[in-house]
Formats: sequence, structure tokens, C-alpha cells
Amino acid sequence: NAGVTQTPKFQVLKTGQSMTLQCAQDMNHNSMYWYRQDPGMGLRLIYYSASEGTTDKGEVPNGYNVSRLNKREFSLRLESAAPSQTSVYFCASSPGTAKNIQYFGAGTRLSVL
Amino acid sequence: KNEVEQSPQNLTAQEGEFITINCSYSVGISALHWLQQHPGGGIVSLFMLSSGKKKHGRLIATINIQEKHSSLHITASHPRDSAVYICAVIKGGAGNQFYFGTGTSLTVIP
Repeated sequence: NAGVTQTPKFQVLKTGQSMTLQCAQDMNHNSMYWYRQDPGMGLRLIYYSASEGTTDKGEVPNGYNVSRLNKREFSLRLESAAPSQTSVYFCASSPGTAKNIQYFGAGTRLSVL
Repeated sequence: KNEVEQSPQNLTAQEGEFITINCSYSVGISALHWLQQHPGGGIVSLFMLSSGKKKHGRLIATINIQEKHSSLHITASHPRDSAVYICAVIKGGAGNQFYFGTGTSLTVIP
């Protein structure tokens, strides 16, 4: 079982460049999440999608857009990357609401120069 | 100000010791999660609690809603338990809004 798959694993961008982080899950989960993890800050929720076709802002949505393309896929886009977006990004999914156990991808390490 | 506080931040134990990690929160919650982040970076959900106590193998998690406190216990600790343990709360009434502690880094020495 693949579980939650994130691509790419590593990325280096220059300030102002754009990119999309891809996330796919094969567990038929309704909810999907994007987090960022910074040293000393812990994980912070960027956006989530409670079901196909819906997305909602989390704690730190500025500078990001998301698309819930279908039930399997939830992408995170940086339109104009900034050094403050240097972080490790995690995608997660869960069967239902946040009260369910979440399953995490392996993470994407992004550096913005 | 962080809604979720964990203690200790760092913990070193000898193999076989009983370990306790604490999580206190300041907001009303609908549930609390304990996560484990391996040295390689991968994150695994250990427990979701809304009341009482749960046990899985050598891991036990408890929550006291009135005191706004949860504990994660590891019995007979082993070097493979070395990881960062993260507490996360779901704010009451906010659907899917998570708030995370900064984690407790545990090292178990053989």
C-alpha cells in the first residue's frame, strides 16, 4: 500500500518562482491536509479539504493556493515563492473529520533562495 | 502564545525506563492527537483521544478534559522509541483546525 505519496521530496526555488507540491492518497479518504513544519514552531496547518470539491484555510494560508482535484489528489501551489516559505511540507489524509487518525506523507523539503 | 505546550522539550532515558510526556492546552477542544516523528522525518499518528485512556502495545495515552491535560506514557522504553512526540489538539467547534505542540525529543540509550 502506497498510503500518502508526496512529490517532489526535495526542491530548491529562487525567490519569485512558482511550483506545485503534489499529494495523492489511495485509501479513499475524504479529508486531506497540508502542513508546514519549521524549527521551533512545530507543525502548522496551511489548508485542508474536508471532501472533494471543498477547501478551507488553516492557520497559515497566506502565499499558498490549493486544489482538491479529485478524491485522491490535493495539490499545494506557491505562486511566487519567498524565503519565508522555506520549510518542510507534509500532506496528510484521514477518513473523515479531524477526529480521525491522520496518515502522513513523507514530506517535501523546500528551500527558497 | 502557543495554545499547546509540551513538556519536557527534551528527554533522555535509559532503556527499560518508564517515560511520561505531558501536553497542556489552553483552548476548548473536541479531540487530541499524539503523533510520532521518526529521526528520518516521517510522521505517524499514535492516538486520537476525546476522553479517558487508550493503550497500544507499550504506549498509553490519557486525557483529562477538565484539567486540559494529556499524557503519553511509554513502558519498558527501547532505543527504537527514540523520536519526537507531538501533541495536537482540534479546537472545539472549529471542525478541522489543528494546533500543534512543538514536540518532545526523546532519546533512549541502550
